[in-house]
Amino acid sequence: ETGVTQTPRHLVMGMTNKKSLKCEQHLGHNAMYWYKQSAKKPLELMFVYSLEERVENNSVPSRFSPECPNSSHLFLHLHTLQPEDSALYLCASARGSGDYNEQFFGPGTRLTVL
Amino acid sequence: GQNIDQPTEMTATEGAIVQINCTYQTSGFNGLFWYQQHAGEAPTFLSYNVLDGLEEKGRFSSFLSRSKGYSYLLLKELQMKDSASYLCAVLDSNYQLIWGAGTKLIIKP
Repeated sequence: ETGVTQTPRHLVMGMTNKKSLKCEQHLGHNAMYWYKQSAKKPLELMFVYSLEERVENNSVPSRFSPECPNSSHLFLHLHTLQPEDSALYLCASARGSGDYNEQFFGPGTRLTVL
Repeated sequence: GQNIDQPTEMTATEGAIVQINCTYQTSGFNGLFWYQQHAGEAPTFLSYNVLDGLEEKGRFSSFLSRSKGYSYLLLKELQMKDSASYLCAVLDSNYQLIWGAGTKLIIKP
């Protein structure tokens, strides 16, 4: 248990579906992150939120839409995804988004796009 | 561009010692992390090095040479539960983590 939870743990969706991934952290952290993890590839940073403001958006396609309603919750809204978007989506939190920032990860959502 | 290199896979024997290397070229350096990730689980923090030298933490040690852009993770007295992927990540000048692809470590009895 890292103090970061993600739901659902597994998701299968068609290319025309709309779904959302949820992340919640119970650590009192101010920064939250979405990563994409594909097999045998480095973790790809997608979005960073610091104090509920988006501070990083690494050229992620608009079919991925993040939302951070408060410092404990982070969502990733998905629509019209492609099969190549199938991956493990990891959420992480940290005390801050700058300086030394050990990140605490959730268990991830395994997404399959058919 | 920024790059982190580490071996894709390594195999070692239970009770032995294994060294996992990581080399990096990044725009700036504010520290290097090692994380462990068991299959289907979250990555968990192992170590952080920002100064040259060896940091020891129980059976695990991490070494850093900033001048060589090089780090290694040393695992001693290997146990079956050490079978996992080990991720190297560098904090660059913008305090963003740049990740390696991970090294899958297989422990055999």
